[in-house]
Amino acid sequence: DVKVTQSSRYLVKRTGEKVFLECVQDMDHENMFWYRQDPGLGLRLIYFSYDVKMKEKGDIPEGYSVSREKKERFSLILESASTNQTSMYLCASTTFQGWASGSLREQYFGPGTRLTVT
Amino acid sequence: GQNIDQPTEMTATEGAIVQINCTYQTSGFNGLFWYQQHAGEAPTFLSYNVLDGLEEKGRFSSFLSRSKGYSYLLLKELQMKDSASYLCALRNTGGFKTIFGAGTRLFVKA
Repeated sequence: DVKVTQSSRYLVKRTGEKVFLECVQDMDHENMFWYRQDPGLGLRLIYFSYDVKMKEKGDIPEGYSVSREKKERFSLILESASTNQTSMYLCASTTFQGWASGSLREQYFGPGTRLTVT
Repeated sequence: GQNIDQPTEMTATEGAIVQINCTYQTSGFNGLFWYQQHAGEAPTFLSYNVLDGLEEKGRFSSFLSRSKGYSYLLLKELQMKDSASYLCALRNTGGFKTIFGAGTRLFVKA
């Protein structure tokens, strides 16, 4: 079974703190993603990475950065946490098998980290 | 851009059939995915469609019509454990990014 783990299920931080969210997958997937999920808004992509040391901005990258030093690990960093970053953060991974429609593969999600910034 | 619309909530009875609709406006996509998410848990993959038509996987089926900008997820023989949110998502033509709808919360009652 594919396993995606996240470092914490619940996290409480203060405004201005630097926050690290860690994600590890054990299936040698090339692609990894960070989303945040808020009521009524669904999952929104923050950043993704398609290879080690490679990263691309998603739809809402402001206030976040990422790091991918090893294939299995993708970290999300909040440089200076703010209250509007209180959310559920979900990491996901998938394998890449080409650009053709038939090569699509589903994403595997971690259990999520519920971050509260006070 | 890509807008995905789903009903916010639905209620159905145990043993019945329910259809969850998803409409979208997009300039192009590779595939349409459906995920299930129980409260407090991670989304898990249910099915995906690349071509128009129906894909069946046990009690779950998903349908896609690209010309109509429309998909649905059909759940048969509903069980209480099917109470969850169902997320419709589009994988864009570049292949990396997936856009998710806000999800439909399904309540199954006895």
